[in-house]
Amino acid sequence: DTAVSQTPKYLVTQMGNDKSIKCEQNLGHDTMYWYKQDSKKFLKIMFSYNNKELIINETVPNRFSPKSPDKAHLNLHINSLELGDSAVYFCASSQRGEAFFGQGTRLTVV
Amino acid sequence: AQSVTQLGSHVSVSEGALVLLRCNYSSSVPPYLFWYVQYPNQGLQLLLKYTSAATLVKGINGFEAEFKKSETSFHLTKPSAHMSDAAEYFCAVSEGAVTGNQFYFGTGTSLTVIP
Repeated sequence: DTAVSQTPKYLVTQMGNDKSIKCEQNLGHDTMYWYKQDSKKFLKIMFSYNNKELIINETVPNRFSPKSPDKAHLNLHINSLELGDSAVYFCASSQRGEAFFGQGTRLTVV
Repeated sequence: AQSVTQLGSHVSVSEGALVLLRCNYSSSVPPYLFWYVQYPNQGLQLLLKYTSAATLVKGINGFEAEFKKSETSFHLTKPSAHMSDAAEYFCAVSEGAVTGNQFYFGTGTSLTVIP
């Protein structure tokens, strides 16, 4: 069983489109995150939710909107995609100080 | 605030040689420290973690790291490199078991193993 699963794994889309990435964790963790990994492999936090409530919202364009329907899911919706949004997006969950990551979604905007 | 510095964005070692990947951290509270490995086109896999217990931490695949508070370091070592160790390695720090804590990552070190 995959602890943190993201779909899709690859996403290729045109500029201006709207897309969503889904994330689910079956670990029973209270906290979930979205991280962005750029082309230089740098990992930067975007959002953090605890029990469905937003607790960290880094400086991210408001075209990015996370949604947590329950504490096992944290989806990321992106409006009006731009070339600069191309990256790998990682979902993670944590409890008691340890984070578990999904396999990532490689988003390519063309 | 927490931050992590990884010295050396690229490290090359010969197969069978010692692997040493450096990590220094900054933290205003007692930190939790982690090493993650990322293989090409894969997610992040936890290698090992320090959570305020033993300062020498053993992880998977023969890796270990030592927490040195006086040096604010958490360097990763492996006595003998294997070809399969070639990957990207990330050091990370968090505020411990705080609800909703952030994980701050270093910029990564790419390890190449030369046959």
